[in-house]
Amino acid sequence: DAGITQSPRHKVTETGTPVTLRCHQTENHRYMYWYRQDPGHGLRLIHYSYGVKDTDKGEVSDGYSVSRSKTEDFLLTLESATSSQTSVYFCAIGTAKLEAFFGQGTRLTVV
Amino acid sequence: QKEVEQNSGPLSVPEGAIASLNCTYSDRGSQSFFWYRQYSGKSPELIMSIYSNGDKEDGRFTAQLNKASQYVSLLIRDSQPSDSATYLCAVNGDFNKFYFGSGTKLNVKP
Repeated sequence: DAGITQSPRHKVTETGTPVTLRCHQTENHRYMYWYRQDPGHGLRLIHYSYGVKDTDKGEVSDGYSVSRSKTEDFLLTLESATSSQTSVYFCAIGTAKLEAFFGQGTRLTVV
Repeated sequence: QKEVEQNSGPLSVPEGAIASLNCTYSDRGSQSFFWYRQYSGKSPELIMSIYSNGDKEDGRFTAQLNKASQYVSLLIRDSQPSDSATYLCAVNGDFNKFYFGSGTKLNVKP
């Protein structure tokens, strides 16, 4: 399973509150990604990281920020959650063979 | 913006038949191509990677790549009900970013 753990697995939060999702990997991979998956849209890249403190925006980054202070942890923060951010969030790592492997996902509901 | 296009399906095939899934991509510079399988409520699982033109076989799965036509396909031989899932096509772009299609739902009928 590529040693990727996402937490929490499920979360319900209120509109306007900040939310942080955590992705933890155990295999020292350089690349990490956050995606969201919504019906009809597939997987869309939110932010990605190519090393400690090296991050950049993806296709749908508005309203999200990330931090990577250690190789093993990649945090996604919704600064002020909105109903449009209700989604399933997947963390992934990119290997040296240029393959991506995913965590179990976090189902976030914003009410 | 990289685009990866798939027919959303559902694609229905009888058990034992060949399922053919197709994908096109917009970035002619893409070099790496992937197929993922995703069961309902689960995370995507990598099943095939292909990097050069032609066919690559792994068990019942064959990936086909045609860079000139910007086309990737996945064939599943002897389809089983357990193959029923959504299949996602992905391409690798700059900075090792991965771009995904919206997926094709496959139903294999017993």
